[in-house]
Amino acid sequence: AQSVTQLDSQVPVFEEAPVELRCNYSSSVSVYLFWYVQYPNQGLQLLLKYLSGSTLVKGINGFEAEFNKSQTSFHLRKPSVHISDTAEYFCAVSAGGTSYGKLTFGQGTILTVHP
Amino acid sequence: SAVISQKPSRDICQRGTSLTIQCQVDSQVTMMFWYRQQPGQSLTLIATANQGSEATYESGFVIDKFPISRPNLTFSTLTVSNMSPEDSSIYLCSVEPPDRAAEAFFGQGTRLTVV
Repeated sequence: AQSVTQLDSQVPVFEEAPVELRCNYSSSVSVYLFWYVQYPNQGLQLLLKYLSGSTLVKGINGFEAEFNKSQTSFHLRKPSVHISDTAEYFCAVSAGGTSYGKLTFGQGTILTVHP
Repeated sequence: SAVISQKPSRDICQRGTSLTIQCQVDSQVTMMFWYRQQPGQSLTLIATANQGSEATYESGFVIDKFPISRPNLTFSTLTVSNMSPEDSSIYLCSVEPPDRAAEAFFGQGTRLTVV
């Protein structure tokens, strides 16, 4: 079984500042890792994913994340945030195998960008 | 990418009644997943639905409360039975990606309020 821990439930930040949203996972098998964003009253949108290869993955809207196998982490970063980045962010893992679409989600981190 | 249509998008229901949520995909998929997102919470997998077999339920979810149908490779329904206010949540349908390089696709969700 897998588990995901998002270390911060809320992250307030000022516009144009950098931000890091932290995610740690636990699994006995290799995993695929994802970050999703959910804007208020909207569905889930994929920001980026790690399947294999380079540990630094770039996604949409200027976000990137680094997979660290030894620390079992997949932290999300953005060098300069905008007001429009205010949303809830979910880290998720999939164990692959026969059901790689089956996701375990973290608790979510609410990012609030202040002017 | 797959296009997923969920119906209804929202509903307000009386306690003790049942609601059936439909999920239609524009392509054939092997696995479909149903998630629940309670207010202010993360997403929790309810069950995995394969065509031609009974759904597989996660711990804490039972078929009598959340019966699922999967009559073909493009359609599934989730019924929330004998509803109580605690069932007020967003229910999301997701489908297995076509290959491991893709991500799981999500419907827009059904926002259910039980009064």
